[in-house]
Amino acid sequence: QKEVEQNSGPLSVPEGAIASLNCTYSDRGSQSFFWYRQYSGKSPELIMFIYSNGDKEDGRFTAQLNKASQYVSLLIRDSQPSDSATYLCASLNNNAGNMLTFGGGTRLMVKP
Amino acid sequence: DAGVIQSPRHEVTEMGQEVTLRCKPISGHNSLFWYRQTMMRGLELLIYFNNNVPIDDSGMPEDRFSAKMPNASFSTLKIQPSEPRDSAVYFCASSRTGMNTEAFFGQGTRLTVV
Repeated sequence: QKEVEQNSGPLSVPEGAIASLNCTYSDRGSQSFFWYRQYSGKSPELIMFIYSNGDKEDGRFTAQLNKASQYVSLLIRDSQPSDSATYLCASLNNNAGNMLTFGGGTRLMVKP
Repeated sequence: DAGVIQSPRHEVTEMGQEVTLRCKPISGHNSLFWYRQTMMRGLELLIYFNNNVPIDDSGMPEDRFSAKMPNASFSTLKIQPSEPRDSAVYFCASSRTGMNTEAFFGQGTRLTVV
């Protein structure tokens, strides 16, 4: 079982809607969580990270963390076709030598 | 900085041959990760180094895989002998140690073993 779990999708939303991407993790030693976006044929690139319980907003993106439930989510408001990509959730355990573990990714499709 | 540099970008080799993938991390980064990505298994961590020392290689699939980091600016991932099931995109990533430090990925090496 992967330590970071994501629904593989695809998650299909209409343009302008809110896309909600979810992730659970099993390592309670994880301290920080990252959302990466990966376009087809490209390498992953960071969208945002979160390490405190609650919400963190950056433009159209909001990351949410609940350490008690070991749950991380990413909301994308006003979804655009250009947001269509695979979104990867990652956990970081700094006490394990900076180990960064990724989930399998969720494929998002935003339809015009 | 040019970012994480991987070479080659594409590699096609015959089964049984040795394959060496190369990575130059971002200067000043002290953590280096090797990942393998396939459609079936997603992005898998193979091995990672901290300050040039291998910390966890439990993701290395078999003894056919080996990785080295002889200095802070260079790492290799070697597969010997290669098999068709090794076909995948191999990514190298680097970061600074710390809670909120971003890992930067190279462009990846697409390996095809025929």
